[in-house]
Amino acid sequence: QITLKESGPTLVKPTQTLTLTCTFSGFSLSTSGVGVGWIRQPPGKALQWLALIFWDDDKRYSPSLKSRLTITKDTSKNQVVLTMTNMDPVDTATYYCAHRHGVSPFSYWGQGTLVTVSS
Amino acid sequence: DIVMTQSPDSLAVSLGERATINCKSSQSVLYSSNNKNCLAWYQQKPGQPPKLLIYWASTRESGVPDRFSGSGSGTDFSLTISSLQAEDVAVYYCQQYYGIPYTFGQGTKLEIK
Repeated sequence: QITLKESGPTLVKPTQTLTLTCTFSGFSLSTSGVGVGWIRQPPGKALQWLALIFWDDDKRYSPSLKSRLTITKDTSKNQVVLTMTNMDPVDTATYYCAHRHGVSPFSYWGQGTLVTVSS
Repeated sequence: DIVMTQSPDSLAVSLGERATINCKSSQSVLYSSNNKNCLAWYQQKPGQPPKLLIYWASTRESGVPDRFSGSGSGTDFSLTISSLQAEDVAVYYCQQYYGIPYTFGQGTKLEIK
């Protein structure tokens, strides 16, 4: 059974750096073809893909946010970490991590974590 | 970026009736290796993460009721619910997974008439 869970601060101040952790079970991020991505959703708005890390440590980012994002993995801990620098109130959103395998959409999602950016 | 545009933005359908949501991509999402379209549909209920319903434009995810079906090719796709049930009230999103950045439609809110 594949599960993912996001963790991190619920409130950050403008200009701060956000660090979110996705802890997963039921699969290994060392298995060929597996990837874990981050997607966010501002309140009442649509989904926006942010970043994706693959089993071979290949990393892909949303071009519009690339300069602010870093995604890393710790295979031994079954974790993926996303950092986003220079947070702004417009970054207030629910942040999800999700699993994919091969050329596929995101099959399994975490419950999400709401991050509010406010002074 | 591949832009995904859904229509309509909202839809009200009577119980037991058919609901159809459309999704148009700004360019082809055809994956040449298997000649299938990299198009997925998700259902999202309030307070929940998106749930994958359809992938490869027309393949139902395991456990998804067969009243949900996907169709289309090239740049035009549709999600159809053949007989609307009360539990189908949700926001539906299409997503292309052909190219980076992966992009979603703006969502279609489905309600009961």
